[in-house]
Amino acid sequence: DADVTQTPRNRITKTGKRIMLECSQTKGHDRMYWYRQDPGLGLRLIYYSFDVKDINKGEISDGYSVSRQAQAKFSLSLESAIPNQTALYFCATSDVSTTSTDTQYFGPGTRLTVL
Amino acid sequence: GQNIDQPTEMTATEGAIVQINCTYQTSGFNGLFWYQQHAGEAPTFLSYNVLDGLEEKGRFSSFLSRSKGYSYLLLKELQMKDSASYLCAVRVGYSTLTFGKGTMLLVSP
Repeated sequence: DADVTQTPRNRITKTGKRIMLECSQTKGHDRMYWYRQDPGLGLRLIYYSFDVKDINKGEISDGYSVSRQAQAKFSLSLESAIPNQTALYFCATSDVSTTSTDTQYFGPGTRLTVL
Repeated sequence: GQNIDQPTEMTATEGAIVQINCTYQTSGFNGLFWYQQHAGEAPTFLSYNVLDGLEEKGRFSSFLSRSKGYSYLLLKELQMKDSASYLCAVRVGYSTLTFGKGTMLLVSP
């Protein structure tokens, strides 16, 4: 079974719709992240959470919100989707224990298209 | 801010050796990561360097020079399946990663 899962894997929606992307992990990691990837722009950080009560904005948080429902779950919401939010979205997790390098491990991604 | 530069594209032949460079400018450097990403798939972790020198893992090696703000990923005995994008990422302090835009490697027969 995959350690980091994302649902849905593909989503087509219309401008103005609210959508939620979900991420779950069985790795027991405290830290979770949401990225988007666009051709030619690389991975850019949207939001991150270092534990259940911690939420931080990343480089490109405008138009997005998140919820950390539990250690294992981190959801990304687009309140009113717009076409330039069409992208590949990745969730990642990491572990900052004393023996860890805090390496990030990625979910399989969600391909979102906003028409 | 941080600036991470890597070549956009590289080509190489099956069986050859290729070196992918990454340069960065940042303060509070605390580690450099290399990831491999096949088209449409998730990035997968390849290597981590925090001290100067070479880390070897099978056909892949990664080198870091902190004084020069420079790293490279060395891929030996290239295989067709190595065709992918290679992402360089830098960590500052105990915080998040900043990724370069990636280098697309095409391996030809």
